[in-house]
Amino acid sequence: QLQLQESGSGLVRPSQTLSLTCAVSGDSINSGGYSWSWIRQPPGQGLEWIGSIYQGGNTYYNPSLKSRVTISEDRSNNQFSLNLNSVTAADTAVYYCARDSGSHGGGFDFWGQGTLVTVSS
Amino acid sequence: DIQMTQSPSTLSASVGDRVTITCRASQNINGWLAWYQQKPGQAPKLLIYKASTLQSGVPSRFSGSGSGTEFTLTISSLQPDDFATYYCQQYNTYSTFGGGTKVEIQ
Repeated sequence: QLQLQESGSGLVRPSQTLSLTCAVSGDSINSGGYSWSWIRQPPGQGLEWIGSIYQGGNTYYNPSLKSRVTISEDRSNNQFSLNLNSVTAADTAVYYCARDSGSHGGGFDFWGQGTLVTVSS
Repeated sequence: DIQMTQSPSTLSASVGDRVTITCRASQNINGWLAWYQQKPGQAPKLLIYKASTLQSGVPSRFSGSGSGTEFTLTISSLQPDDFATYYCQQYNTYSTFGGGTKVEIQ
């Protein structure tokens, strides 16, 4: 069974960089037809797609966050990461990593449990 | 950017009710639409993809329909486990979620 687990700092200072990693077990991030994504949810609010990384390393980002976001992969450790720079209080949210089933139908079919990141001095 | 508008934002219903949630896209999304269920403190769960295909393991009381810019999620007979917040998501161009519909006990 595929499992995803987020890890990283739960508290980030304003203007600093938020860094999270998603460890994937039960399947390879190189599996064909899938991509790997980050999604966030501010407290009490809805879901926002941050970006995705595809097989081969191509990345796509939410245009509203594109200037601050980098998603990368570490194939040797079967994990992928999120960096979000110049954070403000508006970036406080639960951050989820998820698998996008892509050519297998679409939709985020597996999710991590989520990790709360608070931006505060 | 494609905007997704869900209605209603809150829905009060009773066990056994038939429930319908609507999701409208700001442009044609060619059927590339998914529905999720989220309970407090949990990650969202994929219910339906490609507008009407039921994800494996999801009860058949859930169904999706629609095309173009208008889509619906229907729960044929609401069960106690179904009280939750539901989100639609388009994945025709990047990805955008609707604002959510909270289904609460009447």
